[in-house]
Amino acid sequence: RKEVEQDPGPFNVPEGATVAFNCTYSNSASQSFFWYRQDCRKEPKLLMSVYSSGNEDGRFTAQLNRASQYISLLIRDSKLSDSATYLCVARGGAGSYQLTFGKGTKLSVIP
Amino acid sequence: DVKVTQSSRYLVKRTGEKVFLECVQDMDHENMFWYRQDPGLGLRLIYFSYDVKMKEKGDIPEGYSVSREKKERFSLILESASTNQTSMYLCASRPGTGYGYTFGSGTRLTVV
Repeated sequence: RKEVEQDPGPFNVPEGATVAFNCTYSNSASQSFFWYRQDCRKEPKLLMSVYSSGNEDGRFTAQLNRASQYISLLIRDSKLSDSATYLCVARGGAGSYQLTFGKGTKLSVIP
Repeated sequence: DVKVTQSSRYLVKRTGEKVFLECVQDMDHENMFWYRQDPGLGLRLIYFSYDVKMKEKGDIPEGYSVSREKKERFSLILESASTNQTSMYLCASRPGTGYGYTFGSGTRLTVV
């Protein structure tokens, strides 16, 4: 079964902390990867795509390790507004239409 | 910004009713998807469509059907609603296979 696995958390961190989420995917043919953020009772929203070379968007850094089939998200200088569930997402191999979502990691940033 | 609009935010239906959930996107996207999301189970794909009049089963299609007569609209149909179909239903679209989805704001369906 093609799956994306994440630690469900919750991660409770103080404001200003650095927190890292990890995710593994089982389909070695997966080609595209993303992190989504979902606030309570809202729809998931695309946070960032994940590229092989790693990519950064402000306080957020995403990494991909194809050999280990592992994706990570690093959040620096956590803000209260970062509290949400973070979903790791992989697209299957060539010709695959759908994305496979992890069940999410819950983050609570506390003052 | 791409907009994906789901017709209802909250819906309460009776067991056995036929239920229509509508989804419209305004950016000429090829691919559209229906998911349901339940606590502890995450997002599960019901059906998707990669083009007009095309549809494919996802992981949990039983009890559901879909319709895509126009590119911008993708409808999910619960043929005979049951209490185990109480869930949050999320529609998504995207322009092509290399892209992430844009989700609608969801329909929280309760079947009583």
